[in-house]
Amino acid sequence: SQQGEEDPQALSIQEGENATMNCSYKTSINNLQWYRQNSGRGLVHLILIRSNEREKHSGRLRVTLDTSKKSSSLLITASRAADTASYFCATAPKTSYDKVIFGPGTSLSVIP
Amino acid sequence: DTAVSQTPKYLVTQMGNDKSIKCEQNLGHDTMYWYKQDSKKFLKIMFSYNNKELIINETVPNRFSPKSPDKAHLNLHINSLELGDSAVYFCASSQDSARWTSTDTQYFGPGTRLTVL
Repeated sequence: SQQGEEDPQALSIQEGENATMNCSYKTSINNLQWYRQNSGRGLVHLILIRSNEREKHSGRLRVTLDTSKKSSSLLITASRAADTASYFCATAPKTSYDKVIFGPGTSLSVIP
Repeated sequence: DTAVSQTPKYLVTQMGNDKSIKCEQNLGHDTMYWYKQDSKKFLKIMFSYNNKELIINETVPNRFSPKSPDKAHLNLHINSLELGDSAVYFCASSQDSARWTSTDTQYFGPGTRLTVL
């Protein structure tokens, strides 16, 4: 599998529920980033979490990072219809040639 | 003001034609990128430039030629377009100033939807 792989591929929830998306990766990283993409738009950065951080919050978003399991999760609390989008994790591997690698994304549908 | 802009937003063309997509960022960033997003939304990096210098070239056919006249612009020229080139192309930029590092937050343009007939 590829570096930075989201799970599930698609998620459908009711407005007001929490949404959790997971990302797994294979190599050591400098940081891990989460992005959102609304239909027909470019990606928008949500949160960057560094390898020495375990949890980060931004509004209704909570990101955790477990470097021992090489995994991260994005929690969106009290979801809204406007949260409907694709969510991508992007990992910045620790190599001699650092570059960010995007996973295939999780498609989230929030039903009003 | 738009941070990263791309033109055109839509591009429909015949197979075999040559076309260009332009990208400009007004964020003062040192690094710019081109990504290709296929129909399954998989985002793949094509090129990365740092201060007008090519850093990443990810096994892209040489029909694709990026050009960076200055660090605020990164254009993509595509020769002899093929059906498989149909996709959405995104330009992005990041503050990364070190030549071989591109790990900072990226700011994306709105995308150019290319359709090759």
